[in-house]
Amino acid sequence: GENVEQHPSTLSVQEGDSAVIKCTYSDSASNYFPWYKQELGKRPQLIIDIRSNVGEKKDQRIAVTLNKTAKHFSLHITETQPEDSAVYFCAEWGGSYIPTFGRGTSLIVHP
Amino acid sequence: SAVISQKPSRDICQRGTSLTIQCQVDSQVTMMFWYRQQPGQSLTLIATANQGSEATYESGFVIDKFPISRPNLTFSTLTVSNMSPEDSSIYLCSVESQGGETQYFGPGTRLLVL
Repeated sequence: GENVEQHPSTLSVQEGDSAVIKCTYSDSASNYFPWYKQELGKRPQLIIDIRSNVGEKKDQRIAVTLNKTAKHFSLHITETQPEDSAVYFCAEWGGSYIPTFGRGTSLIVHP
Repeated sequence: SAVISQKPSRDICQRGTSLTIQCQVDSQVTMMFWYRQQPGQSLTLIATANQGSEATYESGFVIDKFPISRPNLTFSTLTVSNMSPEDSSIYLCSVESQGGETQYFGPGTRLLVL
């Protein structure tokens, strides 16, 4: 990977609202896009991922979409809950076989 | 998923000393990674460690400061040498999954250098 931009850096929502985090990348060889959730004081945990041959993937309240033409992918969390509060990192793997991480988004869900 | 453990989980060290962090995986993995994560920051890759070869270091990291060992497919160590307060951080090891399809992280080592 070369460069991954992640926005926003902070996202504050009310419980029950949806949250969307977006990442853009530059390496056209990128073919794997995982998302990690890191709670305070804990390790990053893989929550969902998508490969370049798929446009969308869902797992309960979490979904990821990928637009290879525009080189961006997004994490969507619906019906947010306070326990969704954490820092979320996007990443991409490409031809270099070394993952590149975004800067992270601090999601705060207010009860 | 792989089960990864790190030792120590945390340490407080004096400047000028060195600390070796151990990473153990419950299955054989080809690629192991060492990351640094400073408070509120993203994950910065220090180096990639493959068994049987020298570690590959990222820009800004050198072997003299962060020597790495990879004696077998389930174990690696990272040493933080001649520490200064700027080395205070969380150090995470990570492995590529068996099929190479994803990446898992260890629990991290919290290092404070006084």
